[in-house]
Amino acid sequence: QLQLQESGPGLVKPSETLSLTCTVSGGSIYRSIYYWGWIRQPPGKGLEWIGTIYYSGSTNYNPSLKSRVTISIDTSKNQFSVNLNSVTAADTAVYYCARHEAAAGGGYYGMDVWGQGTTVTVSS
Amino acid sequence: QAVLTQPSSLSASAGASVSLTCTLRSDINVGTWIYWYQQKPGSPPQYLLRYKSDSDKQQGSGVPSRFSGSKDASANAGILLISGLQSEDEADYYCLIWHISAWVFGGGTKLTVL
Repeated sequence: QLQLQESGPGLVKPSETLSLTCTVSGGSIYRSIYYWGWIRQPPGKGLEWIGTIYYSGSTNYNPSLKSRVTISIDTSKNQFSVNLNSVTAADTAVYYCARHEAAAGGGYYGMDVWGQGTTVTVSS
Repeated sequence: QAVLTQPSSLSASAGASVSLTCTLRSDINVGTWIYWYQQKPGSPPQYLLRYKSDSDKQQGSGVPSRFSGSKDASANAGILLISGLQSEDEADYYCLIWHISAWVFGGGTKLTVL
């Protein structure tokens, strides 16, 4: 059964870069039928999509975060990662990685498998 | 105006049926795929289903059939119907659509089971 696990520092200083990795187990990340995404949830608030990547390396980003976000993929390690630079307290959140299923006619569907999430606090 | 609007809270009695709405901004066609997620405190969201039409829909793996999707075209809204409400259904529910090359979540509805 496919599982996703987020990892990375739980505390990041303001103005620095937040870096998280999602390790996929129980299946290969190098499959054309899946895309891989990041979502976050500030404390007590709703969900916000950050961005999504395909095994080929092509990406989609949330326009509101696009200037600060980079998502990358390492198929040899079955991992994908997110970097968010110039962080502020507003970036404090639980960060989730998730899987999307590719659509037959192109594009992809919404997230169907989620990791457990990792809490990141931005504070000096 | 927000892309997706959900009532912030809703309550219903155990055993009853409840409809959770996700209203799309008036300039967005309700003919798109609408996704629904359930999130319990301290847990990640769980995918429930996606719905486009009665002939184009998908139930999430292991999701009971008492969770179903529909639409109200006149209200430009997606609907998550939960029948036979159980105490374990008490959770936050989020809708999701793909809109202009971005995934957009609704603000979520907190469902309380009385």
